[in-house]
Amino acid sequence: AQSVTQPDIHITVSEGASLELRCNYSYGATPYLFWYVQSPGQGLQLLLKYFSGDTLVQGIKGFEAEFKRSQSSFNLRKPSVHWSDAAEYFCAVDGGYQKVTFGTGTKLQVIP
Amino acid sequence: EAGVTQFPSHSVIEKGQTVTLRCDPISGHDNLYWYRRVMGKEIKFLLHFVKESKQDESGMPNNRFLAERTGGTYSTLKVQPAELEDSGVYFCASSQDRRDIYGYTFGSGTRLTVV
Repeated sequence: AQSVTQPDIHITVSEGASLELRCNYSYGATPYLFWYVQSPGQGLQLLLKYFSGDTLVQGIKGFEAEFKRSQSSFNLRKPSVHWSDAAEYFCAVDGGYQKVTFGTGTKLQVIP
Repeated sequence: EAGVTQFPSHSVIEKGQTVTLRCDPISGHDNLYWYRRVMGKEIKFLLHFVKESKQDESGMPNNRFLAERTGGTYSTLKVQPAELEDSGVYFCASSQDRRDIYGYTFGSGTRLTVV
């Protein structure tokens, strides 16, 4: 069965600092990989996705993620965090059966 | 284009009552999904419709939950009777066939509180 691990439940960074959110997945082949963000009172917004090809994926809001097959990881990065990035971030996997498995989420706090 | 619409946004009901959640997918999206997040845990799959047919309902927790999709358009998720452990956020999503291109679009969710 596919699974997703987000080891960091809560992360705090200073505004302007770089950010990396970790995600590891378990799946027999290369799945479809996603990062979603949920701001307070909002729905899940797709930041970026990986299906194949270039392992460095660019998304919206200045985010990027790198797929590393050898490490079964799909970490999310941003070079300079803005206060508006404070939200909860979810890594997710679609193993090809149109059933998405989510990680438990990482809450990001941004301090001035 | 309009996104995935869910209503109500919040619902508070007493244990034993019935609640119906509604989801309007993006027009033209044949695939519709229900997910829920209970008590801050991970978001879990409930079921998947293709048009009006249930493609996969393996995530439905028990027979108190009934999902329908009338005419392959909007969908409802009924909980009857509601229990305390049903509290959480229920998300709906829709997608086109080429989800490698378009991915999944989620709604804002319905926050259900059973007291």
